[in-house]
Amino acid sequence: AQSVTQLDSQVPVFEEAPVELRCNYSSSVSVYLFWYVQYPNQGLQLLLKYLSGSTLVESINGFEAEFNKSQTSFHLRKPSVHISDTAEYFCAVSDAYSSASKIIFGSGTRLSIRP
Amino acid sequence: DSGVTQTPKHLITATGQRVTLRCSPRSGDLSVYWYQQSLDQGLQFLIQYYNGEERAKGNILERFSAQQFPDLHSELNLSSLELGDSALYFCASSAPTGDGHTGELFFGEGSRLTVL
Repeated sequence: AQSVTQLDSQVPVFEEAPVELRCNYSSSVSVYLFWYVQYPNQGLQLLLKYLSGSTLVESINGFEAEFNKSQTSFHLRKPSVHISDTAEYFCAVSDAYSSASKIIFGSGTRLSIRP
Repeated sequence: DSGVTQTPKHLITATGQRVTLRCSPRSGDLSVYWYQQSLDQGLQFLIQYYNGEERAKGNILERFSAQQFPDLHSELNLSSLELGDSALYFCASSAPTGDGHTGELFFGEGSRLTVL
């Protein structure tokens, strides 16, 4: 069975500082990996995803994540955060080629940005 | 705006009661998923419907049921409510694909249920 672990429930950082949100997964088969973001009082929205190909994937707002198969990780990074990045971030995993109903979400990491 | 509409946004009710949550998926999406988000359990998958048929079941209690109608909107029915059912209930939809999926779920803003 798959699982996903987000090691940090909360990450406070100062504005313009770099940030890394950690995500580790376990699976015995090929996986798809995702980061979703939930802004206050909103639903989740897809930030970026790894399905195949390049192990480094990027979002339109400066986040990137790298699929590391040997370490079973998919950490999310941004070199310089903004106040608008304040949100909860969810890492998720599913078997490659399975149904989207099999996407397993992590417990979330709340990113708070201090001015 | 994800294109997924959920009503009501907030609902307060008493233990033992029954409520219905409604979801309209994005135009063209055939799949609807229901999730429960609570502080202690995180985001839990409840059930999926595809074009009117139940496709997958997750951690859904027997007191809960759902259906998807011919116009593709879906309803989640929660009955004999308990204090622990207080949570944010999300609906999501996804675009039809061939084999497997692309992983992109489009979430509504959720229905916050408070059971007193």
